[in-house]
Amino acid sequence: RKEVEQDPGPFNVPEGATVAFNCTYSNSASQSFFWYRQDCRKEPKLLMSVYSSGNEDGRFTAQLNRASQYISLLIRDSKLSDSATYLCVVGTRNFNKFYFGSGTKLNVKP
Amino acid sequence: GAGVSQSPSNKVTEKGKDVELRCDPISGHTALYWYRQSLGQGLEFLIYFQGNSAPDKSGLPSDRFSAERTGGSVSTLTIQRTQQEDSAVYLCASSQSRGGTGLSDTQYFGPGTRLTVL
Repeated sequence: RKEVEQDPGPFNVPEGATVAFNCTYSNSASQSFFWYRQDCRKEPKLLMSVYSSGNEDGRFTAQLNRASQYISLLIRDSKLSDSATYLCVVGTRNFNKFYFGSGTKLNVKP
Repeated sequence: GAGVSQSPSNKVTEKGKDVELRCDPISGHTALYWYRQSLGQGLEFLIYFQGNSAPDKSGLPSDRFSAERTGGSVSTLTIQRTQQEDSAVYLCASSQSRGGTGLSDTQYFGPGTRLTVL
């Protein structure tokens, strides 16, 4: 079983739509959680950290459910520029090891 | 300020040759990570450095892979006797380590080295 699992998509949505991604992780001792964004043939870049209480950054909202071991990302009012692959990342306490999901591809259409 | 840099950006080599990839982390970042990403795949963890030491080498795919970090800064990843399956983008990331908690801050990635083994 993979440490972090994501639906690969693609999610094809029109501009202005709201879209949500989920990610599940297997290690209950995981300590840190992030969403990264990766554009085609580019390096991953941090989108946002995910805190236990949930957090919001503009049109983006991240939630953590420790009991069910999943993380979610909600994007409101999708823009064409949101088209990318979204990577779920989970960190463990030991050795600062991070596990990346394979990513969920989002295509926002005009 | 300067981000993470990697060199070379592209490397084409013949099967059986050795290659060396370099990573310059963000100044002051004590933690450094190497990952590889095959086409259309997620990131695969290779190795992590805290300062100059590597407490976790479990991700290195075989003994052909080795990495070192000197002076708590620059790191090199060496692949000996390259094979075609080594072809991938090799990404380096650095982060500030939160000391006693053992948790690291956000990872900042370099642009990667695209390795092609013919």
